Amino acid sequence: GAVVSQHPSRVICKSGTSVKIECRSLDFQATTMFWYRQFPKQSLMLMATSNEGSKATYEQGVEKDKFLINHASLTLSTLTVTSAHPEDSSFYICSARALAGGQTQYFGPGTRLLVL
Amino acid sequence: TQLLKQSPQFLSIQEGENLTVYCNSSSVFSSLQWYRQEPGEGPVLLVTVVTGGEVKKLKRLTFQFGDARKDSSLHITAAQPGDTGLYLCAITSGTYKYIFGTGTRLKVLA
Repeated sequence: GAVVSQHPSRVICKSGTSVKIECRSLDFQATTMFWYRQFPKQSLMLMATSNEGSKATYEQGVEKDKFLINHASLTLSTLTVTSAHPEDSSFYICSARALAGGQTQYFGPGTRLLVL
Repeated sequence: TQLLKQSPQFLSIQEGENLTVYCNSSSVFSSLQWYRQEPGEGPVLLVTVVTGGEVKKLKRLTFQFGDARKDSSLHITAAQPGDTGLYLCAITSGTYKYIFGTGTRLKVLA
């Protein structure tokens, strides 16, 4: 099946620093990748849609200058949390939709971010 | 805004019991996915249902899509501790975006 990886799996950083999270589709090309945030005991909330070679589309209430998304190739999207604060601590999950794969999204294992 | 509500929110049962989880939408959707997520991991796709009234089975799991395509259910027979996790339904909105349900957290006690 389609495999999506994320790196790092967990990261701890100091308040005010920036953190980059990578999302890779390992065995397929992904025209679209999605970034979600999940707080403890809650469901997934879509943050942004990332299309290869174009600007990401952010959901309402998500600050584009704080959550920078780059989708440089058909297998890699990155999310950079800039000037992270404790309230940004969360579980960040990416998903990828295959180039010819219909509506199915394949999810990465997630990245746990803790901002001290 | 389309809302996707799941019930119950939490469920704790003994091994061997049966259970049903519900997913209800405020409007019609074209397809629906069910996922299971374990702590610290990403969601794993269980099934996709497309046709109104459709029933799909995956071992002890039975998924049903409502005739009106506004609701779906997941029934687990003879639950096992390995079924413990967060069950999420999701529908596609607009340009392939998913809207996730509120989630049902299941705990199966041995």
